Amino acid sequence: QVQLVQSGAEVKKPGSSVKVSCKASGGTFSSYDITWVRQAPGQGLEWMGRIIPILGIVNYAQKFQGRVTITADKSTSTAYMELSSLRSEDTAVYYCARGREEFDPWGQGTLVTVSS
Amino acid sequence: QSVLTQPPSVSGAPGQRVTISCTGSSSNIGANYDVHWYQQLPGTAPKLLIYGNTNRPSGVPDRFSGSKSGTSASLAITGLQVEDEADYYCQSYDNSLRGSGVFGGGTKLTVL
Repeated sequence: QVQLVQSGAEVKKPGSSVKVSCKASGGTFSSYDITWVRQAPGQGLEWMGRIIPILGIVNYAQKFQGRVTITADKSTSTAYMELSSLRSEDTAVYYCARGREEFDPWGQGTLVTVSS
Repeated sequence: QSVLTQPPSVSGAPGQRVTISCTGSSSNIGANYDVHWYQQLPGTAPKLLIYGNTNRPSGVPDRFSGSKSGTSASLAITGLQVEDEADYYCQSYDNSLRGSGVFGGGTKLTVL
């Protein structure tokens, strides 16, 4: 049974960067994709990108291209999502999830607050 | 503006049947990408409800069912229960966005 546990809440200044981690337990980490999705307060879900750890291939949503970096450390079964040049509109809960087609399971979410 | 269009809200009484639509286009649902559905209870992470248009993960009651036709998909919930009150999202992929994942805007289900 795969379980994803994310890092804790962050408060960041505009213009800075944040790096959120997603540690997997159970299953074989390299054998499945990790997708990142965010949800602004009171809003819907937004696909950010995904990584295929076994191949090192990453795909990003056009909206975040150039600002987001998704990586994976196979030795620790941990995926990371780093978002740079933060602005207030990036305040959201960031989720990791297993899968390329459908996403299951999901991490518990990490609240990132961008405020001066 | 979401790529997939869902009604903002639906409602029904306990025991009734409701459906939630998810309308896409020829570059996503109509391009033969599968549609998946998620349930999000207040304050929690989304949970996979239907995958591959019609399939239920183990543990999901058979009151939940999915269908797909052309450029649209639907989620049906029969025998509504109070605990079904949640937000529901459809999800697929879009080849006009370099194969990015796309979500519907979400539908709030209220059980009256």
